[in-house]
Amino acid sequence: DAGITQSPRHKVTETGTPVTLRCHQTENHRYMYWYRQDPGHGLRLIHYSYGVKDTDKGEVSDGYSVSRSKTEDFLLTLESATSSQTSVYFCAISETSVLVSPTYEQYFGPGTRLTVT
Amino acid sequence: RKEVEQDPGPFNVPEGATVAFNCTYSNSASQSFFWYRQDCRKEPKLLMSVYSSGNEDGRFTAQLNRASQYISLLIRDSKLSDSATYLCVVSYSGNTGKLIFGQGTTLQVKP
Repeated sequence: DAGITQSPRHKVTETGTPVTLRCHQTENHRYMYWYRQDPGHGLRLIHYSYGVKDTDKGEVSDGYSVSRSKTEDFLLTLESATSSQTSVYFCAISETSVLVSPTYEQYFGPGTRLTVT
Repeated sequence: RKEVEQDPGPFNVPEGATVAFNCTYSNSASQSFFWYRQDCRKEPKLLMSVYSSGNEDGRFTAQLNRASQYISLLIRDSKLSDSATYLCVVSYSGNTGKLIFGQGTTLQVKP
């Protein structure tokens, strides 16, 4: 299994508080991604990174920010948590871009269950 | 309309059965296609990539029909361990390298 950890694994927080989720990888992969998974929607991309300090928005980025100061760490911050951000958050990594590799694969972390009350 | 659509199921089949899932995608410029498997409350894992000519991996066969914009996954001789949710995944068009995930089809294999 790819070396990806997420912390915390479970968190309950109150509306309006800031929350930071951490993704840590030991694979030295260039690309990192944050997704959320909700019933009826599947996985939706929040933000992704294509290198240290290089990030871009996904399809559901409102209310979220990210930072990547080291290859191995990708942080997702909820500036002011809302109940609509209750979800399971997955981090993923890939060595290459799907644009250049016929054997492209994203490896996922174990997920963080976030509940905003 | 969702960019990637799957029948959520559940598909309930007996052991040994053959089952097929279909997935449709809306963007004709998508270039790469995959099936991921997700066990209950676990992370998704790549099951197989889908190539234009179709490809097979043991009991699993994936097919791509670009003209009709659908992808299929066939599972032969179903095992109890095949019970999971199967996610259809398509690459975004353009130079972004991002993926779009379908909501998944749930398979339950019964003894």
